[in-house]
Amino acid sequence: EVQLLESGGGLVQPGGSLRLSCAASGFTFSSYAMSWVRQAPGKGLEWVSAISGSGGSTYYADSVKGRFTISRDNSKNTLYLQMNSLRAEDTAVYYCAKDRRYCSGGSCRALNLDYFDYWGQGTLVTVSS
Amino acid sequence: EIVLTQSPDFQSVTPKEKVTITCRASQSIGSSLHWYQQKPDQSPKLLIKYASQSISGVPSRFSGSGSGTDFTLTINSLEAEDAATYYCHQSSSLPQTFGQGTKVEIK
Repeated sequence: EVQLLESGGGLVQPGGSLRLSCAASGFTFSSYAMSWVRQAPGKGLEWVSAISGSGGSTYYADSVKGRFTISRDNSKNTLYLQMNSLRAEDTAVYYCAKDRRYCSGGSCRALNLDYFDYWGQGTLVTVSS
Repeated sequence: EIVLTQSPDFQSVTPKEKVTITCRASQSIGSSLHWYQQKPDQSPKLLIKYASQSISGVPSRFSGSGSGTDFTLTINSLEAEDAATYYCHQSSSLPQTFGQGTKVEIK
């Protein structure tokens, strides 16, 4: 059974930093790209960032580029999101989501995204003084 | 960036009624359009992939259609458990984007 468990959310002051984690199980983690998607309170879904299966390719939404860094440790089956210079508008539930497209070997270096077949339960980040 | 515009934003529907939600893309995305259902305090759940392909375990009353820029999610014979917000999502190009959501309420 595929499971994605986010952690690391909490209250942080504007300008502060936070690192989110997403522990994955039930599938070959390194064979799938992963994404972070966020949802501000009462708002819709916003795709934030993605990383290829090998970790060699990443992509960011303009709203977080230069402030957030996505990474993964395939030996620990864990996805991360380092969030720096946080703003009030970053307040949201952050979901990690598994891409459905399987990769192997060299194809895991590229970022070929598809739909999300599994989502975590989310972790709330609140940016406020 | 490809913008997805859903309509309507909100719909109040009687059980057994048919629901139609549309999603329009700002440029052609082929069939790289997917639909998710999100119930209150839950994570999104995949409903339809590639515009019209069904997902195992999803009730057959949910169906999708369309290609290019215009897409439709249909819920035939709405049930009380279908009260949720529905989102379209495109994977044609980066950045991936979502529609703003359509909230379906049961009368």
